[in-house]
Amino acid sequence: DQQVKQNSPSLSVQEGRISILNCDYTNSMFDYFLWYKKYPAEGPTFLISISSIKDKNEDGRFTVFLNKSAKHLSLHIVPSQPGDSAVYFCAASARGTSYGKLTFGQGTILTVHP
Amino acid sequence: GAVVSQHPSRVICKSGTSVKIECRSLDFQATTMFWYRQFPKQSLMLMATSNEGSKATYEQGVEKDKFLINHASLTLSTLTVTSAHPEDSSFYICSAPGGNSYEQYFGPGTRLTVT
Repeated sequence: DQQVKQNSPSLSVQEGRISILNCDYTNSMFDYFLWYKKYPAEGPTFLISISSIKDKNEDGRFTVFLNKSAKHLSLHIVPSQPGDSAVYFCAASARGTSYGKLTFGQGTILTVHP
Repeated sequence: GAVVSQHPSRVICKSGTSVKIECRSLDFQATTMFWYRQFPKQSLMLMATSNEGSKATYEQGVEKDKFLINHASLTLSTLTVTSAHPEDSSFYICSAPGGNSYEQYFGPGTRLTVT
């Protein structure tokens, strides 16, 4: 049962344009969402997060939007840079679970072309 | 930011042998650490929660006798893959909670190959 889904395995974007990565979830107990970036053979690196009490959080070029009614969130990267090329994972944490326990999506491979 | 290290980064072992992977929090204490595994082109799957001073909590479907977890101190958790088989070949990653309870600091991962 995949509770966090990233339905696009890959995304290709031109440098300078916007990258939009999408994530859907099914568990209504999720109340905190995070995006991680991962390079091959490395551990994930935290990018940005959002609490379920908000619908938007912005940090520099990265913005995360949350639509609770649709159980959908997205990560916007503007402008995209070649160095952004990596695998992006959406993750969620549920109320009442172990401190910091995360459920991950399958990941989306982002390629930003110069 | 906080740093989590793993050792070894890469290990090759023969079927039937056991392999120990270490996870250390380098500049902070972690009463809880998490162990994940990632198969190629798949998500990170939580295997277990490592608790300092008490037994680990395993996710459904993860054999606790096969994946032994010991959280010996506030900065070290170890995962031992016992009687390894080729299907145990995977990328194992540990993490520890950061200052924000939801954020995790991840180690660089360990690539295990069982021949």
